[in-house]
Amino acid sequence: KAGVTQTPRYLIKTRGQQVTLSCSPISGHRSVSWYQQTPGQGLQFLFEYFSETQRNKGNFPGRFSGRQFSNSRSEMNVSTLELGDSALYLCASSGTGGFYEQFFGPGTRLTVL
Amino acid sequence: GENVEQHPSTLSVQEGDSAVIKCTYSDSASNYFPWYKQELGKRPQLIIDIRSNVGEKKDQRIAVTLNKTAKHFSLHITETQPEDSAVYFCAASNPGNQFYFGTGTSLTVIP
Repeated sequence: KAGVTQTPRYLIKTRGQQVTLSCSPISGHRSVSWYQQTPGQGLQFLFEYFSETQRNKGNFPGRFSGRQFSNSRSEMNVSTLELGDSALYLCASSGTGGFYEQFFGPGTRLTVL
Repeated sequence: GENVEQHPSTLSVQEGDSAVIKCTYSDSASNYFPWYKQELGKRPQLIIDIRSNVGEKKDQRIAVTLNKTAKHFSLHITETQPEDSAVYFCAASNPGNQFYFGTGTSLTVIP
């Protein structure tokens, strides 16, 4: 099976702009989670989508949003970018029902200038 | 919500020695505890996991222990090698499939 893919791999934006990141899960996986990774902060959970519905949400402001399509592909949007949004954004897909490993994509490196 | 704490944040060991990383969690509903290894510039990859109905699991040089009563779990790496150098993350997951990660441990194995 092909692994989790993310596009684009790198992005440079300026403050105030918005950005959309894309994630394609492993075939058959219906759960997609998004994480923000910054040095010293580990992996901060953004949200999880399952069958086109947001099932879980982390403690991020409303500028961070997402959606999932019928083919399980997911997008994450960040509006009104701030310098502090510079990070590696990882998505992960998994099976469901507990006890399922999350498989990570390579990430999108976002730099906000 | 769940809170996962991980210690230490950095760890240096001599090649051949053992390394231990510890995590605690707060939500008794958490029932799945994976450990991920992230090498520089790469994505996190699962190295071992344990379910809440098991106290210990071993895979070659890597083992994980879980104490549900105390709500803590640990990663043990024996006979460390330079290629074990990486950042290790623990995580706790609940039946709702929400994962909470620790802040990571940067392990350096000195040849």
